[in-house]
Amino acid sequence: SAVISQKPSRDICQRGTSLTIQCQVDSQVTMMFWYRQQPGQSLTLIATANQGSEATYESGFVIDKFPISRPNLTFSTLTVSNMSPEDSSIYLCSVLGTGGYEQYFGPGTRLTVT
Amino acid sequence: AQKVTQAQTEISVVEKEDVTLDCVYETRDTTYYLFWYKQPPSGELVFLIRRNSFDEQNEISGRYSWNFQKSTSSFNFTITASQVVDSAVYFCALSEVHPAGGTSYGKLTFGQGTILTVHP
Repeated sequence: SAVISQKPSRDICQRGTSLTIQCQVDSQVTMMFWYRQQPGQSLTLIATANQGSEATYESGFVIDKFPISRPNLTFSTLTVSNMSPEDSSIYLCSVLGTGGYEQYFGPGTRLTVT
Repeated sequence: AQKVTQAQTEISVVEKEDVTLDCVYETRDTTYYLFWYKQPPSGELVFLIRRNSFDEQNEISGRYSWNFQKSTSSFNFTITASQVVDSAVYFCALSEVHPAGGTSYGKLTFGQGTILTVHP
């Protein structure tokens, strides 16, 4: 299994500001994913982050709002830009395990926007 | 488009009862993966099982068992002799299969989740 850490674990931010969330994996992985879980809701995929290429965003998510970096095979960042209260969610980093079958999630970053 | 439905929003049981969580999915793909995850109050998502659409064998792991029926597009999860520590939100999810390698794409479609509360 992969061990995933995220920073920060939680934050309270003011509207209009930006927050960058870090995701670190203990092994090299090709594909990393960012998911959002709004309060009381299910998880929704934001984007897929591949090293060496632009992130691929799902419908309803745009790069200007959620820029992603993937500088190497063990690290990625997601920035939530120009935040509004609607961005209050848990943001989770996810990776495919070795072999591409199991999928693991980080502990999540709980974001509250006031 | 893929869709996962967990019709049970909340289930409440008393400790030692058996409980089954339902999951029904829709996909046009002939091959796919199905997953169950547990999300305890702490918030992290714990991987429980992955099932390949070709493998319809039921699986048992301790008090957990899974019933996959392709004919009814269902992948139900049963907890036997439930315990208070089983209290969590449980998510069923579906993934496409990469045509080249047969692995998951990693893009999961989740159901809405079932909140399970086990009372002592």
